[in-house]
Amino acid sequence: AQSVTQPDIHITVSEGASLELRCNYSYGATPYLFWYVQSPGQGLQLLLKYFSGDTLVQGIKGFEAEFKRSQSSFNLRKPSVHWSDAAEYFCAVGNNYGQNFVFGPGTRLSVLP
Amino acid sequence: EPEVTQTPSHQVTQMGQEVILRCVPISNHLYFYWYRQILGQKVEFLVSFYNNEISEKSEIFDDQFSVERPDGSNFTLKIRSTKLEDSAMYFCASSVSSHWDRGNYEQYFGPGTRLTVT
Repeated sequence: AQSVTQPDIHITVSEGASLELRCNYSYGATPYLFWYVQSPGQGLQLLLKYFSGDTLVQGIKGFEAEFKRSQSSFNLRKPSVHWSDAAEYFCAVGNNYGQNFVFGPGTRLSVLP
Repeated sequence: EPEVTQTPSHQVTQMGQEVILRCVPISNHLYFYWYRQILGQKVEFLVSFYNNEISEKSEIFDDQFSVERPDGSNFTLKIRSTKLEDSAMYFCASSVSSHWDRGNYEQYFGPGTRLTVT
């Protein structure tokens, strides 16, 4: 069965600084990988996804993520963080055989002015 | 942009009562899902639904849970006899397609219903 880990429970960065949120997955075949963001009191918004092809994917709000098969990772990056990026970020993996997504535990991002 | 909607945003109920959580998926989507997130924990899959029947369910989705698409737009989750441990945020999601169609597999989530069981 697939699984997802996000090693960082909470990250604090200053506004304008770069950001990298880590995600590691466990899955035998090529996974479907997703990053979702959850602002306080809001639902889950899809930031970006990876299915196949180019391992560097671009998403909304200036985010990108890189799929590295050798490291079983799908880290999320942003070159310059804005205060509005403060939220909870979830990495998720889908699979080739079922419909459910498996979510990581989330990383809470705080942004200092 | 079309979005998944959920009602109510917050439901408070007493232990043992039945609750129905409602969702309106995106209109051209064919696959529907329920997930839950207990406070401070990860989002967990409950059930997926396609063509008017359950296609997958997790071990969490026991006999006290049921889902229904009573009309062409709504998708409901019923909890027959709520327990304290059912307190959580419940998310509905929908997708155009499923895992065999990689380009249209992403799931779109609603804002959630916070269920509090007292």
